[in-house]
Amino acid sequence: GQSLEQPSEVTAVEGAIVQINCTYQTSGFYGLSWYQQHDGGAPTFLSYNALDGLEETGRFSSFLSRSDSYGYLLLQELQMKDSASYFCAVRVNAGNNRKLIWGLGTSLAVNP
Amino acid sequence: DGGITQSPKYLFRKEGQNVTLSCEQNLNHDAMYWYRQDPGQGLRLIYYSQIVNDFQKGDIAEGYSVSREKKESFPLTVTSAQKNPTAFYLCASSRYNEQFFGPGTRLTVL
Repeated sequence: GQSLEQPSEVTAVEGAIVQINCTYQTSGFYGLSWYQQHDGGAPTFLSYNALDGLEETGRFSSFLSRSDSYGYLLLQELQMKDSASYFCAVRVNAGNNRKLIWGLGTSLAVNP
Repeated sequence: DGGITQSPKYLFRKEGQNVTLSCEQNLNHDAMYWYRQDPGQGLRLIYYSQIVNDFQKGDIAEGYSVSREKKESFPLTVTSAQKNPTAFYLCASSRYNEQFFGPGTRLTVL
């Protein structure tokens, strides 16, 4: 089967750095995405990695190692508004189409 | 403003009734998706459509049906055959590697 694993909860303080890991077992891998979802809201796209390495977008960075089936999301200079759930999702083949397989999410609590 | 609309935000239905959730997008995206999210869970794919008049079952299609007669619209019907329909339903469209989500419909079946 296809599965993704990420920690269920992470806690940090304002201004700190936190890393959320994601390991996956899938077939037909195309890339790894990260999404943020605030309570009661819809997911919003953060990043996508198709190749190995680090992608940086402002305070957020995302890393992928295809050989290790592993990626992470790095959040720097944490702010209270970063308190949310973070999902990793793998883009896979589905016949002639592609779809996302989602992890269960990591709930990040940023404390003052 | 371009985006995805879902209505209503909250929906209540009696057990045994079919209900249709609307999803409209003006982003000119070909691909559209329906997901279900249960408390503390990730998103599970119900149906998806890569082009008008074509759609595929996702991982949990039983008890649901869709249509894609127009590029802009991808309605989802939750039928009485769905055993546990109470959930948060999210519609999305995609461009390249990014999915854009509507605000969701929270369905409660009494």
